[in-house]
Amino acid sequence: KNQVEQSPQSLIILEGKNCTLQCNYTVSPFSNLRWYKQDTGRGPVSLTIMTFSENTKSNGRYTATLDADTKQSSLHITASQLSDSASYICVVISNYGQNFVFGPGTRLSVLP
Amino acid sequence: NAGVTQTPKFQVLKTGQSMTLQCAQDMNHNSMYWYRQDPGMGLRLIYYSASEGTTDKGEVPNGYNVSRLNKREFSLRLESAAPSQTSVYFCASSETPGLQGWKTQYFGPGTRLLVL
Repeated sequence: KNQVEQSPQSLIILEGKNCTLQCNYTVSPFSNLRWYKQDTGRGPVSLTIMTFSENTKSNGRYTATLDADTKQSSLHITASQLSDSASYICVVISNYGQNFVFGPGTRLSVLP
Repeated sequence: NAGVTQTPKFQVLKTGQSMTLQCAQDMNHNSMYWYRQDPGMGLRLIYYSASEGTTDKGEVPNGYNVSRLNKREFSLRLESAAPSQTSVYFCASSETPGLQGWKTQYFGPGTRLLVL
């Protein structure tokens, strides 16, 4: 069954600290993997898109990694800011059909 | 350029009532989608429209119908609402998938629906 799992479920960190969010997937065949940020009461917004051949991709303070062999991805946030408080959703897209498999998200809270 | 807009933002229905959720995008995208988001679960695809004039079922289509009114608008209808349809509904749009695969989806702000 195509599935995306994320850990931790929730995370609390202090402003300025770094953190890493994990995503494990069983989606096959794999097309690409995306990380979205969803602020409370808003729709998700794309952070990164990673294809099979990409290991690392950065977007400002966000760095995503992908290990297609182990089917794992991580999102590293550097020097966290209060505005980073949000849910971070991992989405894996299959080659066939409109098969977007969304993870449940990690709820990040950044405290002053 | 408003992106993807959804109406209404909030709605309370009684079991058995019907309603239509509206979605519009101004990015000239061909593909549009309807998702629902429930606590502790990932977004689940209800219906999608790859292009104007076409619609297809997603993962959880039961109890819903859709209409791709034109290229800009994609509506979701609940004919007889049930408490299990209490959820947050998101509309999204994207460019037509290319050779590199599916394009980035742009999401609306969501409609929060409570069915009593």
